[in-house]
Amino acid sequence: QQPVQSPQAVILREGEDAVINCSSSKALYSVHWYRQKHGEAPVFLMILLKGGEQKGHEKISASFNEKKQQSSLYLTASQLSYSGTYFCGTARGQGGKLIFGQGTELSVKP
Amino acid sequence: GAVVSQHPSRVICKSGTSVKIECRSLDFQATTMFWYRQFPKQSLMLMATSNEGSKATYEQGVEKDKFLINHASLTLSTLTVTSAHPEDSSFYICSARETSGRGGGATDTQYFGPGTRLTVL
Repeated sequence: QQPVQSPQAVILREGEDAVINCSSSKALYSVHWYRQKHGEAPVFLMILLKGGEQKGHEKISASFNEKKQQSSLYLTASQLSYSGTYFCGTARGQGGKLIFGQGTELSVKP
Repeated sequence: GAVVSQHPSRVICKSGTSVKIECRSLDFQATTMFWYRQFPKQSLMLMATSNEGSKATYEQGVEKDKFLINHASLTLSTLTVTSAHPEDSSFYICSARETSGRGGGATDTQYFGPGTRLTVL
């Protein structure tokens, strides 16, 4: 079953923060986050495994609450380059296929 | 590391013809690759899981006789759209599952190819 992302779209000014949420109705093994720019393939951001871990990469970080079957992606001090559509992909087992959410369109304005 | 290529990047064909799309993992071996299709402003819809040396596993609603998948080596999977029709026009993207962590992600990270835009006239 497809995970649900929220919000569907968000507009930011440069330097503002944003949070994108991903919720599943099923128990998850891992959550994968990608960013896709128009006409291009998704680019891997990070993967979170069950165990409730958090990860960070420069100004982009994420958390995974296994019990709540939710993950959140945090973008701080957003840059113009952060614009794109963010997808979460969820897997129910190790090596399992990913089912992607419907995407969150993020626009960062100068 | 963890680069995936796809060829061709764009293809335009006439209705009724077949089109082959190649997906290659350039610097790692991938026993498992995945094929997705994506319509404009929509999510990535998994079509099938391609396993090296065995038959592909298709998602519900995907016609296996229409979308032929071959994973003949650890670095190459192909998708052939047979007897293509205008409704098959879409963005087809492959991904390869990297299991050693060399790409910077944990094991099981999927890395995507650049995609193939198919237009059937």
